[in-house]
This record gives sequence, C-alpha cells and structure tokens, in this order.
Amino acid sequence: AQKVTQAQTEISVVEKEDVTLDCVYETRDTTYYLFWYKQPPSGELVFLIRRNSFDEQNEISGRYSWNFQKSTSSFNFTITASQVVDSAVYFCALSEAGYGGSQGNLIFGKGTKLSVKP
Amino acid sequence: DTEVTQTPKHLVMGMTNKKSLKCEQHMGHRAMYWYKQKAKKPPELMFVYSYEKLSINESVPSRFSPECPNSSLLNLHLHALQPEDSALYLCASSLRASSGNTIYFGEGSWLTVV
Repeated sequence: AQKVTQAQTEISVVEKEDVTLDCVYETRDTTYYLFWYKQPPSGELVFLIRRNSFDEQNEISGRYSWNFQKSTSSFNFTITASQVVDSAVYFCALSEAGYGGSQGNLIFGKGTKLSVKP
Repeated sequence: DTEVTQTPKHLVMGMTNKKSLKCEQHMGHRAMYWYKQKAKKPPELMFVYSYEKLSINESVPSRFSPECPNSSLLNLHLHALQPEDSALYLCASSLRASSGNTIYFGEGSWLTVV
C-alpha cells in the first residue's frame, strides 16, 4: 500500500540555522513521483520540487536542497540558513504511475510545521 | 504568484444557502481538481476533471456539485452544507490528469458554514 510518513510534526529553529525535514514513503510501484509543497498560513500550497523515481540526482536550489535515497525510501528536504519567511507547513507527497495513472491522487504526508524564530 | 486563482478568498454561509466557489487557470492545463483541507490535516482529493469531463469523484456528498464550463474554469456549487464542511477548499490544475504531472494549487477559499 502507498504511504507517506513525515515523522516530525513540528520543528522550531532560530533564524540562520539549517533544518532538515524528513519524508519516508512506501510504494509497490517501480515508477513513481515525489513532491514537496510549502503551505504558509495564507493557505496556498506552493510547489517546491518534483523527483521521478528513475532520477536519483539530488538537487540544490539556492537555500533549498533535496536528498532522494531510493535504498531507504526517503526524500528529505533541507533549508540552509533558515529565514522567518520559511515558516510554514511542509508536505511531502507521492504519486504512483499505477494502472493508467493516478489522476490527481497525490498521497500526502501529514505535514511538518516549521517555525523559524528571529 | 500562483497562476491558479480562486474566488472568494473567504466565504461564510448558512446551512440553507447556495453559494459557489470559482477557480480559473490560464496555463493551458487540461486537468483541474478540487481538494478539501481540514485544519491541521493534509489536503484530500474531491474531484478531478480531465478535458472538461468529470473523471474522479471521491465519494463526495451531493451537496457539493462541481462544474467545468471550459478548460480554464472550474466551479464548486455548494448547497445545504453542514458545519463540518467548514474547511479550506483548494483548486488545482495540471497539464494532464495522470501521475507525474505536477499539480499547481491556488490560494484556496476558506469556507465557514454557520
């Protein structure tokens, strides 16, 4: 069965600290897609990154970096030198190729609330 | 800024009212979605439209009625709602309705049923 686990419910850091958000997923599909979304208090879900199961290249984008490890079924997200504006709920999500496509069936983790204090 | 726009941002309605939530995207996407999100929970899929046709209805009560007038617009008609329907309603779109297509969300409509 497919599942996404974000074990960290809440994280609180002081500005300029580095912080890593953990995501572990379960799937039987060999082809799948992983996403990170950010949801600030305003409500909008902001797309951050997508990774395909066949592309294990990790990525750095500014202060953000992602570590996809197929061997441990993890897709962790790191913010370097955190800022107050990074305060939000972060969701990890899984989409499986499945039979004919999942058609919008993003399987979300429960989210990690990140608070960055000045 | 999001390219999926939703109106209204906030809505308060009584249990006997009829109201609608509206969503618009101009990214040329052919799949549009409604999600419901309760406080401190992840979003849950309600409906999927693919090429203006309803392709998925996740057992949503009939008091929620979706409509896709054209490829850019998606409405959610609300009637006889219950207080437990109070939530954030998120519209989203993607190029196609198949896995692997990135889903882009709007800012959401905060609905309160009194």
